[in-house]
Amino acid sequence: SAVISQKPSRDICQRGTSLTIQCQVDSQVTMMFWYRQQPGQSLTLIATANQGSEATYESGFVIDKFPISRPNLTFSTLTVSNMSPEDSSIYLCSVDVTGTGGETQYFGPGTRLLVL
Amino acid sequence: KQEVTQIPAALSVPEGENLVLNCSFTDSAIYNLQWFRQDPGKGLTSLLLIQSSQREQTSGRLNASLDKSSGRSTLYIAASQPGDSATYLCAPETSGSRLTFGEGTQLTVNP
Repeated sequence: SAVISQKPSRDICQRGTSLTIQCQVDSQVTMMFWYRQQPGQSLTLIATANQGSEATYESGFVIDKFPISRPNLTFSTLTVSNMSPEDSSIYLCSVDVTGTGGETQYFGPGTRLLVL
Repeated sequence: KQEVTQIPAALSVPEGENLVLNCSFTDSAIYNLQWFRQDPGKGLTSLLLIQSSQREQTSGRLNASLDKSSGRSTLYIAASQPGDSATYLCAPETSGSRLTFGEGTQLTVNP
């Protein structure tokens, strides 16, 4: 398993500003993922972040809006840039851990963002 | 593009009932499928992982089955308890460890 922490747990931001969310894992992992969960909806994958390479973004998400860093095997950041109220969501990071039963994804507690 | 549908969207049952949550997906080329639980305002908790070669997995009162060829999975909860109240999400995994989530089933177990 993996224990994942995220900072901040929640924030209220003004439109036009940027927020950087941190994700810390208690073990070294190759793949980290960033998801968004808009109010009342399910999770949507934003990007995959591998250490030592640029993040891979899903359709509809771009690096200029959601720059990601992955400086080492236990840490990643997601920045939500030039925020608008439509960016109000829960942002979750997850990691892929290979165990005896196969690859399991574990999720952090999420960062609740409200943009005014 | 993988699409995941979960039925029912919401379910309210009295304590003690056995219940079944359904999940269907359009792309059967999956590596595995995970069931998660999400409590209000919280992150996701992994419940069960079924490999594509497996038919079912069990953990306590939970049993998940997988029919990969027909694109279906079910989560069976035995003897439901009020503490089981949460949103249950299924997520098949495709290439690149990508999970695609359904909208979830919001379960309420009444004492």
